[in-house]
Amino acid sequence: DQQVKQNSPSLSVQEGRISILNCDYTNSMFDYFLWYKKYPAEGPTFLISISSIKDKNEDGRFTVFLNKSAKHLSLHIVPSQPGDSAVYFCAAKGLYSGTYKYIFGTGTRLKVLA
Amino acid sequence: DTAVSQTPKYLVTQMGNDKSIKCEQNLGHDTMYWYKQDSKKFLKIMFSYNNKELIINETVPNRFSPKSPDKAHLNLHINSLELGDSAVYFCASSRYGETQYFGPGTRLLVL
Repeated sequence: DQQVKQNSPSLSVQEGRISILNCDYTNSMFDYFLWYKKYPAEGPTFLISISSIKDKNEDGRFTVFLNKSAKHLSLHIVPSQPGDSAVYFCAAKGLYSGTYKYIFGTGTRLKVLA
Repeated sequence: DTAVSQTPKYLVTQMGNDKSIKCEQNLGHDTMYWYKQDSKKFLKIMFSYNNKELIINETVPNRFSPKSPDKAHLNLHINSLELGDSAVYFCASSRYGETQYFGPGTRLLVL
């Protein structure tokens, strides 16, 4: 049962335009959400996060939006740059049997075209 | 001054062999993790240790055994390797409940 879903396996965007990556989740008890970026042959690196008590968090060109009623979050990258080309994972944090655990989506491969 | 390091980066071995992957973090974190990324690109938690105590133990074959000699190290030993064990294994660390920081991954190929 996949609790965190990224339904778009890939996305291509022109340089300078906005990239929007989406993530849906099913567990309403998740209290913290994160986005990770992954380049080939490297580990995921933390990008930005948002608490469930907020609906928006911004860090430079990256903004994460959370819509709790729709159980949906999105990552906006404006303006997109070729160096943003990578796989983006969303992750959600929940408490399972008294222990925190992160559940990851399957990733969306972003390609920013120069 | 790598934050989370793993060795080896690549591991090619025959079915039936036993192998170990090592992980070290210098971030002063108290919690470490092993994840497996399979061919479908799912990143799935396998184990987690907090202050050297096992706190997450997902349903993985008991051929996989983690060992945490101290808070900065978490090793993964795999016995009797099978073809289906081929995957990328990521180590991560964090302060308990906080953002996780990942190592570069170990690409395991079982022939």
